[in-house]
Amino acid sequence: QSALTQPASVSGSPGQSITIYCTGTSSDVGGYNYVSWYQQYPGKAPKLMISEVTHRPSGVPDRFSGSKSGNTASLTISGLQAEDEADYYCSSYRRGVTVIFGGGTKVTVL
Amino acid sequence: QVQLVQSGAEVKAPGASVKVSCKASGYTFSNYDITWVRQAPGQGPEWMGGMRTYKGDTNYAQNLQGRVTMTADISTSTAYLELRSLTPDDTAVYYCTRDPGAARFDSWGQGTLVTVSS
Repeated sequence: QSALTQPASVSGSPGQSITIYCTGTSSDVGGYNYVSWYQQYPGKAPKLMISEVTHRPSGVPDRFSGSKSGNTASLTISGLQAEDEADYYCSSYRRGVTVIFGGGTKVTVL
Repeated sequence: QVQLVQSGAEVKAPGASVKVSCKASGYTFSNYDITWVRQAPGQGPEWMGGMRTYKGDTNYAQNLQGRVTMTADISTSTAYLELRSLTPDDTAVYYCTRDPGAARFDSWGQGTLVTVSS
């Protein structure tokens, strides 16, 4: 299965805003509001940050937000902090009862 | 709090099988599906499939059909993943996750490293 497309890396200075894009097709991202975002530190399990495109689970800071336009979803981190440096993965339901993930984006805080 | 605790790392020879366990606590096990996700070194996660713990229904990724079996023991709140006919391409960290629906995974086990090597 082809993965969703994400940029390999994104960087920003503390306090800035960054956006990570996740591009799929009409069979996944564009066809369903079942896009999630995960944060992963090295050697650790992923953590759910955003579900159903825009929903932020309890305990996730409100500087994390999600949106979608057409076949592309996005994760925005506002007021970037040093602790936000991690890998981020998007995922989506894909027609045929499966879930597909993106290849991941490494966020660097300069 | 919700916790998923997995069994320890495994080293297997090509052609062997592996069985990974995932013990859940902090919630009613049968109220949620369990989905298994694996992550090869340096790669993004890969959805392997999931199961409805209260019914035993399973849904496997097409590329693993015939090699994978997911089961659950409600009496011990434990889920199991068995993968057969292992090849070096199966070397990965295997995660169990709690699946409340809507293609989201809201709690993850700590991961089990499975290494396939001769």
